[in-house]
Amino acid sequence: SQQGEEDPQALSIQEGENATMNCSYKTSINNLQWYRQNSGRGLVHLILIRSNEREKHSGRLRVTLDTSKKSSSLLITASRAADTASYFCATHSRTSGSRLTFGEGTQLTVNP
Amino acid sequence: EAGVAQSPRYKIIEKRQSVAFWCNPISGHATLYWYQQILGQGPKLLIQFQNNGVVDDSQLPKDRFSAERLKGVDSTLKIQPAKLEDSAVYLCASSSSGIGDIQYFGAGTRLSVL
Repeated sequence: SQQGEEDPQALSIQEGENATMNCSYKTSINNLQWYRQNSGRGLVHLILIRSNEREKHSGRLRVTLDTSKKSSSLLITASRAADTASYFCATHSRTSGSRLTFGEGTQLTVNP
Repeated sequence: EAGVAQSPRYKIIEKRQSVAFWCNPISGHATLYWYQQILGQGPKLLIQFQNNGVVDDSQLPKDRFSAERLKGVDSTLKIQPAKLEDSAVYLCASSSSGIGDIQYFGAGTRLSVL
């Protein structure tokens, strides 16, 4: 079964609006990471949050982690057309050695 | 700092043919990963190297896939013989230590098996 599952699968918003994506996972984690993938390109790391952290910020990105609910959310504020991409959460689990397990991703479209 | 380099960017082959992909990680990164990403899905780890030793190849279809990392730097991933379901993007990534570390990805090789 998928360790990380993103919700929604697809999200379409207007420029300037905020976008929220959620990730749920099943096992205990050491950290959770968010990556962005533009069409036809590799993944780019956005932010890493450790299991003992609840919230992190990076520019227009805000990530929260709720280990009791085994879930995380990524908020992009004041979205831009350039934010159009697929967003993946990836978990590093205590039981998976050094492997990162990626979810299926959320496709975000920001309309100008 | 140069990123992860992969080649070729695109490859089209017929089923039962063989194909090889090449990856050059970020200089000094000890850990190298190969992922398979099927359209509409997240990346799935195929194999992880720490220097030139295999750390995790539990999801590598060993009857047809092989990978090596000579001298702990460059790596090649081979498929022989290819099947239709191998059509995917093959991503290479590297990280400095490997333990739940941030990973840096190459642009990938898009493989189409006809």
